[in-house]
Amino acid sequence: GQNIDQPTEMTATEGAIVQINCTYQTSGFNGLFWYQQHAGEAPTFLSYNVLDGLEEKGRFSSFLSRSKGYSYLLLKELQMKDSASYLCAVGDSNYQLIWGAGTKLIIKP
Amino acid sequence: DTEVTQTPKHLVMGMTNKKSLKCEQHMGHRAMYWYKQKAKKPPELMFVYSYEKLSINESVPSRFSPECPNSSLLNLHLHALQPEDSALYLCASSQEREIYYGYTFGSGTRLTVV
Repeated sequence: GQNIDQPTEMTATEGAIVQINCTYQTSGFNGLFWYQQHAGEAPTFLSYNVLDGLEEKGRFSSFLSRSKGYSYLLLKELQMKDSASYLCAVGDSNYQLIWGAGTKLIIKP
Repeated sequence: DTEVTQTPKHLVMGMTNKKSLKCEQHMGHRAMYWYKQKAKKPPELMFVYSYEKLSINESVPSRFSPECPNSSLLNLHLHALQPEDSALYLCASSQEREIYYGYTFGSGTRLTVV
């Protein structure tokens, strides 16, 4: 079966760094996505990894290891507005997006 | 224009009503999607249109009926819904079905069935 695992909830402090992990088992692999979703709003694209390694984009970085079926999203210099759910999604062999359940990130002052 | 526009933003309907959700994009994307999302759950794929043809129907009940009148528009017709159908309905588009790097979501329609 296809499965994506990520922690349900994480808490971090404003100004700190947090790492959200995602492990996956899918039929085929056509890239891994991270989306941010604020409550009641649509998901917004954060990053896309298809090759191993680290992709950095401002305060956000995403890492992929295809051999380990593992990714993480790293958020630096946390701001209160970063409080949201972070969804990991993998493109399978049929180019369907398989979604994780999301990680709710709570930022405290 | 880099947006996917959904209307209405909120909809309350009775179980005997017929209503439609609309989605529009002008990015030249040839693949459009309907997703359903319940609270604290990931989006669930309902339908995929590729070049205005229905390519994927994820065993969705017939009370949901999609329509793609042209390459820029996607509708979801609703009839005889149940309270458990209350959810956030998201439309998304991508350049092609196999190229989802530029996957863009609309802001969604919050549907409540009473």
